[in-house]
Amino acid sequence: DAGVIQSPRHEVTEMGQEVTLRCKPISGHDYLFWYRQTMMRGLELLIYFNNNVPIDDSGMPEDRFSAKMPNASFSTLKIQPSEPRDSAVYFCASSDPQGAGYTFGSGTRLTVV
Amino acid sequence: EDQVTQSPEALRLQEGESSSLNCSYTVSGLRGLFWYRQDPGKGPEFLFTLYSAGEEKEKERLKATLTKKESFLHITAPKPEDSATYLCAVQAPNPASGGSYIPTFGRGTSLIVHP
Repeated sequence: DAGVIQSPRHEVTEMGQEVTLRCKPISGHDYLFWYRQTMMRGLELLIYFNNNVPIDDSGMPEDRFSAKMPNASFSTLKIQPSEPRDSAVYFCASSDPQGAGYTFGSGTRLTVV
Repeated sequence: EDQVTQSPEALRLQEGESSSLNCSYTVSGLRGLFWYRQDPGKGPEFLFTLYSAGEEKEKERLKATLTKKESFLHITAPKPEDSATYLCAVQAPNPASGGSYIPTFGRGTSLIVHP
């Protein structure tokens, strides 16, 4: 298995622009997580899905953030409009039902200027 | 109030100098405690899961232990390739999210091993 695949690896955008981050989880994993990592706050859970259904989005910072999972092999995290304080590394992770250990993607480094 | 606290924040060792990283937690109803390794520019890589006090897991130069209040990651005779950030995460019912068992991560310990 190629692991969790995220794209793009790096994204630089101007304030006010829409940003879409993409994730392909490991086949057979029915949990998918979106995390954000910054020096100030560490690794924060934004939202997670179970069987493509959003379960908990309490970590989504604002209405500017939205996430979808249209099928078991694809998820997106969208920021519209983006702001400089959204600059961070965004990770997607997936796990099997036992949740014994998550597999993370390589992340998307987002810079909003 | 932090549920998971890792110490030290940073640690510098000489190659071969053994040491331990600490992860203390204050959650109730611990279901599992995870250790991850994160290299610069990469996502966290799963190392161990511990489920109950007294449990130990080993992998090469790493050994993780668990008590009712904390976990230690012991590094024996480290090598420069062990340099990374080590993250701890605890899995327990989270009242803030309806009692779900989604792990809460600590801030990590940045380890540098000098040759």
